[in-house]
Amino acid sequence: AQSVTQLDSHVSVSEGTPVLLRCNYSSSYSPSLFWYVQHPNKGLQLLLKYTSAATLVKGINGFEAEFKKSETSFHLTKPSAHMSDAAEYFCVLNFNKFYFGSGTKLNVKP
Amino acid sequence: DTGVSQDPRHKITKRGQNVTFRCDPISEHNRLYWYRQTLGQGPEFLTYFQNEAQLEKSRLLSDRFSAERPKGSFSTLEIQRTEQGDSAMYLCASSWGGDQPQHFGDGTRLSIL
Repeated sequence: AQSVTQLDSHVSVSEGTPVLLRCNYSSSYSPSLFWYVQHPNKGLQLLLKYTSAATLVKGINGFEAEFKKSETSFHLTKPSAHMSDAAEYFCVLNFNKFYFGSGTKLNVKP
Repeated sequence: DTGVSQDPRHKITKRGQNVTFRCDPISEHNRLYWYRQTLGQGPEFLTYFQNEAQLEKSRLLSDRFSAERPKGSFSTLEIQRTEQGDSAMYLCASSWGGDQPQHFGDGTRLSIL
């Protein structure tokens, strides 16, 4: 069975400090994984994707994620948070269709 | 590439009425997906098309829901006899093939009075 678990429903950081959003997955096969961001009342925007070419994946807006098969994790990080990063983030597993995590709301304090 | 567009952006209707939403995917994409998203939740898969063929429907898609993609381009999602529980954001996405990232529209927010 395919599933995605986002370990934190809310994360709060100060502007300029690092961001870590955690995601674990369960898949019977080699997964294709994505991170998407959603701003209020908007659709989802692709941040980055993992498709087995490299375990460290760089995305837009300074985000990156590392695929760790041994830990079945695909955590999203950014070295320095910006106010504009405040949004909801979804970890997604792709196996014929998208399986979404429940989302992590990122709050960035000035 | 004008992106995925959805119409309307908001729909308010009374319980029991029928509603129809439209999605125009990115023109070269052969796959089109519908999702439902309720407050505080991630999107839930409803159905998808490859060209004009509807290949999978979720158990969430009750008999009151129907989706079409008649010419393999735009798609419509109709909900008949709407209920309070249908209040949600309905998202459409498209992709070229099943292993590529999906591109999402801004959604249609449905409110049932």
